[in-house]
Amino acid sequence: NAGVMQNPRHLVRRRGQEARLRCSPMKGHSHVYWYRQLPEEGLKFMVYLQKENIIDESGMPKERFSAEFPKEGPSILRIQQVVRGDSAAYFCASSPAVGSGQPQHFGDGTRLSIL
Amino acid sequence: EDQVTQSPEALRLQEGESSSLNCSYTVSGLRGLFWYRQDPGKGPEFLFTLYSAGEEKEKERLKATLTKKESFLHITAPKPEDSATYLCAVHLGGDKIIFGKGTRLHILP
Repeated sequence: NAGVMQNPRHLVRRRGQEARLRCSPMKGHSHVYWYRQLPEEGLKFMVYLQKENIIDESGMPKERFSAEFPKEGPSILRIQQVVRGDSAAYFCASSPAVGSGQPQHFGDGTRLSIL
Repeated sequence: EDQVTQSPEALRLQEGESSSLNCSYTVSGLRGLFWYRQDPGKGPEFLFTLYSAGEEKEKERLKATLTKKESFLHITAPKPEDSATYLCAVHLGGDKIIFGKGTRLHILP
């Protein structure tokens, strides 16, 4: 499967713990996007990264959330000291180039539940 | 403020009953419009890209059209397997893509 791979598919954390969500983009794609989706809501943009660079993090909360896309390995979305309100589905998407009109291709998401 | 609105929020159709889903947008500088399908527990699956008013794209029972202010996703003689949430997204240029909340489509056998 050469699609966008996200893991884990489901993640349960207690309040105050850390959550790490991983995303491997499609082969040949160098642009990664993270979105958050709540039930009955649309996808909300969080952050856009290229290898080793955060390009746009305007949709990501300033506190507790961080993202990286290292030279080697998957992109990581990290949520520290999780709270109940962080419960949601987090989706990663990738594209080959920005500004070209190419669509983003999505993984199947990580469903985060906070106890 | 850039905005994407999809209607209706939910739609129930009998198998074979054709209909249309609407995506209206108020944005500055549309670079393209995307349609996605999302099944429960899955990520959005890309369907179409439309770039300019008057453009149409077709795939099986689906046809997407675009005007200067809205896009329609027409579904002809739908089958139960077409049941899903259909998402519209507007590309504003650069990395900016705004999604609508989607239309939940349910096709009854």
